[in-house]
Amino acid sequence: AQSVTQLDSQVPVFEEAPVELRCNYSSSVSVYLFWYVQYPNQGLQLLLKYLSGSTLVKGINGFEAEFNKSQTSFHLRKPSVHISDTAEYFCAVSRGTYKYIFGTGTRLKVLA
Amino acid sequence: NAGVMQNPRHLVRRRGQEARLRCSPMKGHSHVYWYRQLPEEGLKFMVYLQKENIIDESGMPKERFSAEFPKEGPSILRIQQVVRGDSAAYFCASSTTRGQSYEQYFGPGTRLTVT
Repeated sequence: AQSVTQLDSQVPVFEEAPVELRCNYSSSVSVYLFWYVQYPNQGLQLLLKYLSGSTLVKGINGFEAEFNKSQTSFHLRKPSVHISDTAEYFCAVSRGTYKYIFGTGTRLKVLA
Repeated sequence: NAGVMQNPRHLVRRRGQEARLRCSPMKGHSHVYWYRQLPEEGLKFMVYLQKENIIDESGMPKERFSAEFPKEGPSILRIQQVVRGDSAAYFCASSTTRGQSYEQYFGPGTRLTVT
């Protein structure tokens, strides 16, 4: 069965510092990978997705993620965060179907 | 260009009452998905519907839960005789066709509290 692990439930980081949010998945077959962001009282917004091709994926708001098949990881990174990046971030995986498997989320708190 | 809309945003029900959650997909989207997020957990798939059809309800609890997506109007997730364990955030997502990426657009969620 597939699963998604987000090891860090909360990540505090100072403004303008870099950040990495970790995501590992388990699957024996090819998967599609997604990162979503949820701002307070809002729905989930797609940040970026990996379907195939280049393992470095660039998304909105300056975020990027790297697909590492050997380590079954899809970590999200941003070189310099802003206060407005404070939100909850969800990693999700799909085996190419509509059924997404989500991680438990990571709360990013950017400190002034 | 309105996104996925859900209402109500917050719903409080006493044990034994019924809860009705509504979801209006994005314009042009004919596929709707419902997910449930229990406290401290990730979103979990419940059901996938197209207009007037349930395609996959493998994530729905066997009893008390039902979903529909009529020809006209929003999709409805109905929970009968709610219990405290039903307290959660319920998210609806929609997509156009299945396509390659199955990109789903999410609504803001309905937070159900059962007292």
